[in-house]
Amino acid sequence: DVKVTQSSRYLVKRTGEKVFLECVQDMDHENMFWYRQDPGLGLRLIYFSYDVKMKEKGDIPEGYSVSREKKERFSLILESASTNQTSMYLCASRSGRATDTQYFGPGTRLTVL
Amino acid sequence: RKEVEQDPGPFNVPEGATVAFNCTYSNSASQSFFWYRQDCRKEPKLLMSVYSSGNEDGRFTAQLNRASQYISLLIRDSKLSDSATYLCVVNEGGSYIPTFGRGTSLIVHP
Repeated sequence: DVKVTQSSRYLVKRTGEKVFLECVQDMDHENMFWYRQDPGLGLRLIYFSYDVKMKEKGDIPEGYSVSREKKERFSLILESASTNQTSMYLCASRSGRATDTQYFGPGTRLTVL
Repeated sequence: RKEVEQDPGPFNVPEGATVAFNCTYSNSASQSFFWYRQDCRKEPKLLMSVYSSGNEDGRFTAQLNRASQYISLLIRDSKLSDSATYLCVVNEGGSYIPTFGRGTSLIVHP
């Protein structure tokens, strides 16, 4: 059974803080994704990694960076958190085949005060 | 990337009803299609893949219409537990990045 875990379910941070969100998958998947989900806007892709140390910007990368030093771990970094980054953050992983399904972590609900 | 459109609903149906959702996609080169289910405040989970020949899993049937560029999800004999948001996902050929619809909300009431 595929398992994708995220470091926190709920997180509260202050404006200007640096925030790290971690995602770990145990299925040796090549591809990993970070999304944010907001009411009425659906899932929006922030960054995508197709292999270790490889990354691509998604639709809304501004204000975010990522790190993938090991295959199983994909980190999302908010360099200086702002209130408009309050959201649900979802990580997903998938094998290297684009036609395969994605498996999602439970999400991190981030509130920036 | 191209668009994937869904009616946001909500679809409000009584238990036992049959309900159907459609999802249209704009890229004719799309190669794989999925329906995901997302419960409130939870992560999306795969409900079923959609094959060219259609796919049935118990009360759920998914179909693909390539000519008109849409996929459908039919739920028969709705249960209260079917209440959720249903997300349509399309993978374009040659792209690593799937495109998500914004979801259709289903509410099944007693």
